[in-house]
Amino acid sequence: AQSVTQLGSHVSVSEGALVLLRCNYSSSVPPYLFWYVQYPNQGLQLLLKYTSAATLVKGINGFEAEFKKSETSFHLTKPSAHMSDAAEYFCAVSGPNFNKFYFGSGTKLNVKP
Amino acid sequence: DAGVIQSPRHEVTEMGQEVTLRCKPISGHDYLFWYRQTMMRGLELLIYFNNNVPIDDSGMPEDRFSAKMPNASFSTLKIQPSEPRDSAVYFCASSLSAENNYEQYFGPGTRLTVT
Repeated sequence: AQSVTQLGSHVSVSEGALVLLRCNYSSSVPPYLFWYVQYPNQGLQLLLKYTSAATLVKGINGFEAEFKKSETSFHLTKPSAHMSDAAEYFCAVSGPNFNKFYFGSGTKLNVKP
Repeated sequence: DAGVIQSPRHEVTEMGQEVTLRCKPISGHDYLFWYRQTMMRGLELLIYFNNNVPIDDSGMPEDRFSAKMPNASFSTLKIQPSEPRDSAVYFCASSLSAENNYEQYFGPGTRLTVT
């Protein structure tokens, strides 16, 4: 079965600090993994995706994530937080047919000046 | 490309009324998804279609909810009768399965308030 666990419903960092948002997955098949961002009152926007190519995936806005099969993790990082990064972030894993997604519960990132 | 289009953006209705939410997917996409987002339950998949055919409706909460996709460019989600607990943001998303793509593109959502 497919599932995603996002550790920490709220994360707060200072501007310029490292951002680390954690995602662990469970999958019965080799997974496709995704990170989405949601700004207030908007829909979800794709940040990056892993589809069995390079394990280190670079996305938009300076974010990247590393697929670690041994740890069943796909953590999202950004070296230096910006105020505009404040949003909610969702990790998702695809199902066996790759089209149905299973989303985590989300992590709200707060960036302090 | 205009992206996924949803209407209305906001809907306020009274309990017992019928509500219809509309979605236009990205042209050429062959999958369409309806999600519901609430503070308590997070993001829930309600139903999804492939080539206009419903594939999985296991997330539809009850018989009051129904969804249709009469053609490749239009889908509706109907709630009849509506109840206050249906208040949520409803998202439509579409994706293209060809070329190992699969990423889902979300619309801006419809914020539904049932009083």
